[in-house]
Amino acid sequence: DIVMTQTPLSLSVTPGQPASMSCKSSQSLLHSDGKTYLYWYLQKPGQPPQLLIYEVSNRFSGVPDRFSGSGSGTDFTLKISRVEAEDVGIYYCMHSIEVPWTFGQGTKVEIK
Amino acid sequence: QVQLVQSGAEVKKPGASVKVSCKASGSTLTGSEFNWVRQAAGQGLEWMGWMNPDTGNTGYAQKFQGRVTMTRDTSIATAYMELSSLRSEDTAVYYCAWHSTTIWGQGTMVTVSS
Repeated sequence: DIVMTQTPLSLSVTPGQPASMSCKSSQSLLHSDGKTYLYWYLQKPGQPPQLLIYEVSNRFSGVPDRFSGSGSGTDFTLKISRVEAEDVGIYYCMHSIEVPWTFGQGTKVEIK
Repeated sequence: QVQLVQSGAEVKKPGASVKVSCKASGSTLTGSEFNWVRQAAGQGLEWMGWMNPDTGNTGYAQKFQGRVTMTRDTSIATAYMELSSLRSEDTAVYYCAWHSTTIWGQGTMVTVSS
């Protein structure tokens, strides 16, 4: 199974300041079809996960443009340009390049 | 707007089976695979498998092979996930997700306790 490793495990951010988190996979997520199957989700307390970013850098419909994803191969980053109070929760990366899909352990974001 | 509505909480004894439903409101059950993901209390997300609602084809994580069955009833736009031989470690919230995980159900709490 592909292991997804997220760092840091927690972040405390002042509103209006940027935040960045990393996700590393144990093998490349670049498929032979040219796509890279790496996704980012935010799970707010008591809610199901919500998709933020698909295929590394594509924001899902309705996701604010302060969220951006980047990376390639095995190294990926999610950035929030200016953190807002509503961004608190746990951020997970996930791959879907092969079965089983696996998630990172999550990065918990809280507001200072 | 398509929504996924899951069945209510369940309490089961060890060794029993549970069947969780996931009804698509506002849509027929076609075009995109269903995925099932679970989350134990205070823990991360664990992918269990997928089901193609058009063909009924499935793919399961090896961890659940032999214990999980994913099915659907297209006439009522509902997908199902059945987990058998339950043990305490299966206590978790179970989610269905559709359309490349853009749409999620609200989750179903399954408690396994003697």
